[in-house]
Amino acid sequence: DAGVIQSPRHEVTEMGQEVTLRCKPISGHNSLFWYRQTMMRGLELLIYFNNNVPIDDSGMPEDRFSAKMPNASFSTLKIQPSEPRDSAVYFCASSLAPTGGLETQYFGPGTRLLVL
Amino acid sequence: AQKVTQAQTEISVVEKEDVTLDCVYETRDTTYYLFWYKQPPSGELVFLIRRNSFDEQNEISGRYSWNFQKSTSSFNFTITASQVVDSAVYFCALSEAVDSNYQLIWGAGTKLIIKP
Repeated sequence: DAGVIQSPRHEVTEMGQEVTLRCKPISGHNSLFWYRQTMMRGLELLIYFNNNVPIDDSGMPEDRFSAKMPNASFSTLKIQPSEPRDSAVYFCASSLAPTGGLETQYFGPGTRLLVL
Repeated sequence: AQKVTQAQTEISVVEKEDVTLDCVYETRDTTYYLFWYKQPPSGELVFLIRRNSFDEQNEISGRYSWNFQKSTSSFNFTITASQVVDSAVYFCALSEAVDSNYQLIWGAGTKLIIKP
């Protein structure tokens, strides 16, 4: 079975440019999570969707960040305009909706973003 | 408040040695979940184990074993006869089943170096 798929795997862009990261969750999973990992702050949850609906976006750093999930098999995280401090590894994870407990989150390979 | 402490920032051992990674957690709830993830140098986050608070049985999977002790709020991970391929950063994480908003609380990670 395919795991969580993310694209691109690497992205280098210049400050001010728009960046779009993409994620395809595991088929049948209906919870999707976007994380950011940096050396300074570790793993941070940015936003969480359940059944394509954003449930908690309190981790989104600022208005430059937006995320969408138009259907059960696709999500995007957009940064516009990008800044050097956005450089990080961005992970997408998916899980089954919890049924009386928290289901395990399975992570994609990550997108390594460098903003110059 | 929820908190996960991985006091060992980095551990270095010689191949074939046994090594234990410590994880201490804090939670208010009686129902919670604990996880271990592995992040090898390639960068992906690999799920290793999930344990709920009502199951204190130790788990063994090949060379990996986990010791869950509620009395000390610890969920330690032991690798027996370590191998170079075990070199990675290992994360312990906690989630409460109630009011967690499905967030994982992550430890800072322990970098494990296995020398040949």
